[in-house]
Amino acid sequence: SQTIHQWPATLVQPVGSPLSLECTVEGTSNPNLYWYRQAAGRGLQLLFYSVGIGQISSEVPQNLSASRPQDRQFILSSKKLLLSDSGFYLCAWSGSSGANVLTFGAGSRLTVL
Amino acid sequence: AQSVTQLGSHVSVSEGALVLLRCNYSSSVPPYLFWYVQYPNQGLQLLLKYTSAATLVKGINGFEAEFKKSETSFHLTKPSAHMSDAAEYFCAVSAVSGGFKTIFGAGTRLFVKA
Repeated sequence: SQTIHQWPATLVQPVGSPLSLECTVEGTSNPNLYWYRQAAGRGLQLLFYSVGIGQISSEVPQNLSASRPQDRQFILSSKKLLLSDSGFYLCAWSGSSGANVLTFGAGSRLTVL
Repeated sequence: AQSVTQLGSHVSVSEGALVLLRCNYSSSVPPYLFWYVQYPNQGLQLLLKYTSAATLVKGINGFEAEFKKSETSFHLTKPSAHMSDAAEYFCAVSAVSGGFKTIFGAGTRLFVKA
């Protein structure tokens, strides 16, 4: 069966520090991968998605970036965090065909102080 | 382009009462529609999905939703609420045409009173 792992679960970082959140998927090949951010009362905002190694699409201009160095690995990064980057970050995967059903990781809560 | 509107950021029901969470969508192409549930500090789990087959879709935990094209709605219902149903519920849409993006509504938090 497929599983998705996301870490770290919680992170407290000072403004201006770097960020790296990692997500890996097991039990499937060539998944579509996604990073969403959830801010309180605002639903889920799609940040990045990837349909293959090295292929990244950005939905929202910001100081975050994403990379997909391996088929089942998706990384969210920032060189310098802003206060507004605080939130709950969710990684998800879907199959490369069909109804685009998303399977989510447990999430990473980032607090920027 | 797709969009989703969930009516009511908070819904409160008594245990055993009907649950109705409203969702309206906008899509320029035939949509796939979803309901996801999120428990505190967890990721989202799929409750049910509409993929152009039967318009009444049954999901897990006794939930169901009906796709009404004329009303562009996909409301979520459950005949009898249970305390364990307290969570946040998200309606979402993606495109049948093969787009990779799923667009989520703002969510509705369901409270269940004893």
